[in-house]
This record gives sequence, structure tokens and C-alpha cells, in this order.
Amino acid sequence: SQQGEEDPQALSIQEGENATMNCSYKTSINNLQWYRQNSGRGLVHLILIRSNEREKHSGRLRVTLDTSKKSSSLLITASRAADTASYFCATDARGNMLTFGGGTRLMVKP
Amino acid sequence: DAGVIQSPRHEVTEMGQEVTLRCKPISGHNSLFWYRQTMMRGLELLIYFNNNVPIDDSGMPEDRFSAKMPNASFSTLKIQPSEPRDSAVYFCAISDSAGGTEAFFGQGTRLTVV
Repeated sequence: SQQGEEDPQALSIQEGENATMNCSYKTSINNLQWYRQNSGRGLVHLILIRSNEREKHSGRLRVTLDTSKKSSSLLITASRAADTASYFCATDARGNMLTFGGGTRLMVKP
Repeated sequence: DAGVIQSPRHEVTEMGQEVTLRCKPISGHNSLFWYRQTMMRGLELLIYFNNNVPIDDSGMPEDRFSAKMPNASFSTLKIQPSEPRDSAVYFCAISDSAGGTEAFFGQGTRLTVV
């Protein structure tokens, strides 16, 4: 079973717009991570936020974590066509074993 | 991707045949994971090794699936006999058992069982 669930499942925006993806999870976590997957490729780590952190930034990425609501969001600002990919959240509720959500498919139209 | 080499990239086999997927991780990471990705079920963790020892194989779907890690630089996932429902992309990933660190994924093996 999946620990995290992303919302929406698919998102289509215009280049330059912001993209927000949400993740909900079920059990207590040590940290939450976001990954990106381009079509036909493996997953690539984007950002990690620890359970005692509320917000984290990395370039055009902003991640928030609300442990009381068991939810996280990933914001990509000023999106580019190259940001088109699937985005997954992952939690490490069981030691360092990551459990992934179903992903959000993001399409950024030029 | 460069830190984990998986082979083959694509595999097409007939139902009933044995399939072996290979993973060669770079050194320095003591945890190795095998995941399976399908449209229906998403990314599923199959098995987790720590220091070459299987720690959790609760995700292995059936006895037809087995995995080994004879040394820190090599792991295999074997399916025998294979079935059409095993068709998926299989990923190998590595990380550090200390936790709180990112995982590095290989590019995956796309398995098609006909």
C-alpha cells in the first residue's frame, strides 16, 4: 500500500505559471522527500524536508510540511517546459525504506 | 542515474521463462532497494538490503521472485517462472542506512512478459 498520495494526479499549466502539488501520508515520518521522474528514466531526488522543518527552498522549488495534517506541498515557481515530468513524494516511516505516492504528472506547455 | 547501473534496459521474454535483472551500484552506500513500477500500482518496494543482507522482503509478490546481493557492488532480482502480470519497470536504488538521505535510482529495466 502507498504511504503517500499526491494530488492532483495530473496538472497542465502554461510556461511561467506556478505549479503546486500536494502529498498526504498516513503515519508518522522522519522526513519527506520529493522526486522527479522524466519519461523512461529513473527517479531523481529534488528535496528533503525533515519532520521538524516546516518549509524548505531549493532554487525554484519550495516545499512545505505540516505534520499535524500529515501533508506536504511542492511548489515550482516560474515553470518551464523542461519541468514536464512526474513528481513523487516519498516518506521514510519505516527506517530508511522509502514509500512512494502515486505521483503527479505535470505538463508545462510552452 | 550514473551511480546505479541496471541491465538490461529492456527485456522481452515469454511466459514461463526465467528472467534475471541486474544492478551494479557505486560504492559507499550500504542500502540497496528493488522497486517495481506499474501504471496500476505505482512504485512498490520489493526488497531492501542493508550491508548486503536482506532486511525486508515483505514486498516480494510471490515465491517466483528472489533477490540476492552477493557483494556491495552487485545485486540481482530473479523471476522464475515469469508471467505476463510481471510486466513492469524494475528499479534498483541505493542510499545510506543512516536515514535522512536521498536515494539514487538506476534507469530501470523495462520487462515485458508475453
